[in-house]
Order: sequence, then C-alpha cells, then structure tokens
Amino acid sequence: EDQVTQSPEALRLQEGESSSLNCSYTVSGLRGLFWYRQDPGKGPEFLFTLYSAGEEKEKKRLKATLTKKESFLHITAPKPEDSATYLCAVQSTDSWGKFQFGAGTQVVVTP
Amino acid sequence: SQTIHQWPATLVQPVGSPLSLECTVEGTSNPNLYWYRQAAGRGLQLLFYSVGIGQISSEVPQNLSASRPQDRQFILSSKKLLLSDSGFYLCAWSVMTGKGLSNIGELFFGEGSRLTVL
Repeated sequence: EDQVTQSPEALRLQEGESSSLNCSYTVSGLRGLFWYRQDPGKGPEFLFTLYSAGEEKEKKRLKATLTKKESFLHITAPKPEDSATYLCAVQSTDSWGKFQFGAGTQVVVTP
Repeated sequence: SQTIHQWPATLVQPVGSPLSLECTVEGTSNPNLYWYRQAAGRGLQLLFYSVGIGQISSEVPQNLSASRPQDRQFILSSKKLLLSDSGFYLCAWSVMTGKGLSNIGELFFGEGSRLTVL
C-alpha cells in the first residue's frame, strides 16, 4: 500500500529563517509527486509536480526536490505570507487515478 | 481557463438528515473528478473518484454516495448523516496528460464545504 509521511508536523520560523520540509514515500512505482499549499478553511493550491529522482522545481521562495524515497520543500528567506499547511501527495503506478496524501506540515512564519 | 465551483460552503445538519454537496468544473472536458474529506489536523481521505459519466469508484465503505450525472458535475450525497460525517469536503479535478494521455495530471481543488453534523 502507498504511504506518505510528512515531517515535521509543525514548523515555526522567524522571517528570513530558511528551512526544509520532508515528504517520505513508499510506492511500488512513482508516477508523480505533488506539493500543495493550503490556507485555513480553503482548498489546497497546487504548487509543483515532480516525476523523477533528481528533478527540481522552483517558485518564488519555494524549491522542491525529489529522490527515490523522499522529497524536500525548501523555503528560502520565508515571509509571513508563506504561513500555511504544505501537503505532499503521490500517484503510484499501482493505483491508477488515485492520489495518496500526507498529513501535512503546518508552517508559521513570524515577523 | 478552468474553474471549479463547490457549494454550499458551509452546512450545519442534524443527525439523520440527508446531504447533497455539488461540484461543477468549467473550461475543460472529460475531467477526472474526486471527492475528498479532511478531518481536523489530518490528511485528505479519498472518498470517490470518477473517470467518466456514470463511472464512480468508491474508496471508503460508508453511508455516503456519489453521482456524476453530467461530464463536469459531481455530487456527494447521503440519505442519513452520522456525527462522524462532520468534516471539510473537497471536490477536485484532473485531466489526462503526457504521451498518449496516459498519465493523470495534478489535482485542482475547489474551495471546500464545511459540514457540521449535530
């Protein structure tokens, strides 16, 4: 069965203090790994898709990387508006059409 | 551009009452459609997904059901709500991508429906 584990559960950062979020996954074969940002009371907002180990994608202060067993979301010099819950999801070759989500990492950036 | 609409945004219902949540997608054809539930502090749980009209796959046995009466419309229903049905319900869509359209692209979510069962 596909499994996705995110760590830490919560992260408190000072503005400008860079950090990384981890998403570890277990799948028989990876079709894609997805990162989302979710604000309180809202639906998740798509950030990145990664398909193969070694791939990297960037958007503003966020950079996602992928290895064969995990993905990292690096937040560089965060601002208070980066505060949100970040979700990771995988799609495997065995579960066509389905996305398995992790529980998320809640990030709070203080001024 | 594609948009997804989900309603109602908030719902408070007594135990034993019926439920109907509706979701429509605009700007794309033949999308894959999903219903997820998110409990407080927990990840997203897949409830149903559909790859076409009348084609519904159920992931969790429960008192909920889903229907897809039109290509871009997805409905989540219940005949009798339980206290445990409370949660944040999210509709999402994706399309086929890649060579031969053999891959499923990323999910795009609606704004969610907050259901409280009392």
